[in-house]
Amino acid sequence: GQQVMQIPQYQHVQEGEDFTTYCNSSTTLSNIQWYKQRPGGHPVFLIQLVKSGEVKKQKRLTFQFGEAKKNSSLHITATQTTDVGTYFCAGRSSGYSTLTFGKGTMLLVSP
Amino acid sequence: ETGVTQTPRHLVMGMTNKKSLKCEQHLGHNAMYWYKQSAKKPLELMFVYSLEERVENNSVPSRFSPECPNSSHLFLHLHTLQPEDSALYLCASSQVPTSANTGELFFGEGSRLTVL
Repeated sequence: GQQVMQIPQYQHVQEGEDFTTYCNSSTTLSNIQWYKQRPGGHPVFLIQLVKSGEVKKQKRLTFQFGEAKKNSSLHITATQTTDVGTYFCAGRSSGYSTLTFGKGTMLLVSP
Repeated sequence: ETGVTQTPRHLVMGMTNKKSLKCEQHLGHNAMYWYKQSAKKPLELMFVYSLEERVENNSVPSRFSPECPNSSHLFLHLHTLQPEDSALYLCASSQVPTSANTGELFFGEGSRLTVL
């Protein structure tokens, strides 16, 4: 079945440093979504990418979808303590299939 | 407030108990999901109901039994669980994904289950 791998599993940065998490799928994806889960909280939808090579920005967050639609990344510029949490990617193999989640990357930001 | 309400938030049960988790969504969505979240594991999809019909059951042991009486309510009935079933159980809802919507998931706060 479809597998979605995410790296790194964990990253600890100083406030102000950049952060990137990478997501790789074993199969071509129709689209990919990103979610953030704060400690003790529940996953919250951030964004969806659909087109090959697509890049979307949300303030300090930049999301990319690979040309082959098998990988994606989330980059945070100048991290803040409010960025702490686990970031999950989730991919769909077709437009209407259920999402397959990666294991997530836990981000810790020290002030 | 996510629009998806789960009760109870915390549950401790013995292996011989029978309990139920409840989920209610106020978003007008037509699909509901149960996920299991354990430490060091990805979110595991357990069940999917689309338009009140179960469309996916990911090899979940029969000691977990879902029920979806209508598009706004979802239950997970638990019986004779094992300690390894201790986890956070997350309910989610969405619109069935189409070309017109992302089908993004809206999660509830979760029910933290401990099986003794």
